[in-house]
Amino acid sequence: EVQLVESGGGLVKPGGSLRLSCAASGFTFSNAWMGWVRQAPGKGLEWVGRIKSRSDGGTRDSAAPVKGRFTISRDDSKNMLYLQMNSLKTEDTAVYYCTTYYSSAFDSWGQGTLVTVSS
Amino acid sequence: SYALTQPPSVSVAPGKTARITCGGNYIGTKNVHWYQQKPGQAPVLVMFYDSDRPTGIPERFSGSKSENTATLTISGVEAGDEADYYCQVWDSSTDHYVFGTGTKVTVL
Repeated sequence: EVQLVESGGGLVKPGGSLRLSCAASGFTFSNAWMGWVRQAPGKGLEWVGRIKSRSDGGTRDSAAPVKGRFTISRDDSKNMLYLQMNSLKTEDTAVYYCTTYYSSAFDSWGQGTLVTVSS
Repeated sequence: SYALTQPPSVSVAPGKTARITCGGNYIGTKNVHWYQQKPGQAPVLVMFYDSDRPTGIPERFSGSKSENTATLTISGVEAGDEADYYCQVWDSSTDHYVFGTGTKVTVL
């Protein structure tokens, strides 16, 4: 059974940094494309970014609102996915979900971790 | 940037059929996926590649698509189907992923 468990959320001041982690199990992590999707309070889903498997080049990409501030990385030896968030803004306040990809769909989701950016 | 438009809400009586639309330019050329999200829970994939159901999703859920509209149909709606539903595509021009605006399905 696929399990994705996020951690690292919390309260941070504008301009601050936070690193989210996602522990994966139940599938071959090294072969999987992984990513992050967020949801601001009371709002819809927003794609944050993706990292491909090493065998597919390991390249990463991110959405325009976070490009240059957020970085996705992975540690295949630990089955871990990370989201380093810098220069945080109030509009980054959201629940952040770790996801796996099945082609262009997000087929498994973690329970999410809440990030609140506020002074 | 590419955008997907959904009606904010759909109301349906138990046992009836709910149809949730997702509009986007040339959506007929893209693979459309659908997610169900119940309050306080993570989204769940309920339809992929327009009309394929993941394991465990009831046959009551079906998907279709035309040139500019994709539709998720829920037949014989049950109280447990009350949730927010989102469509999603991959935009090949940007290599980014786009979600629809979301539709709240209310079972009367």
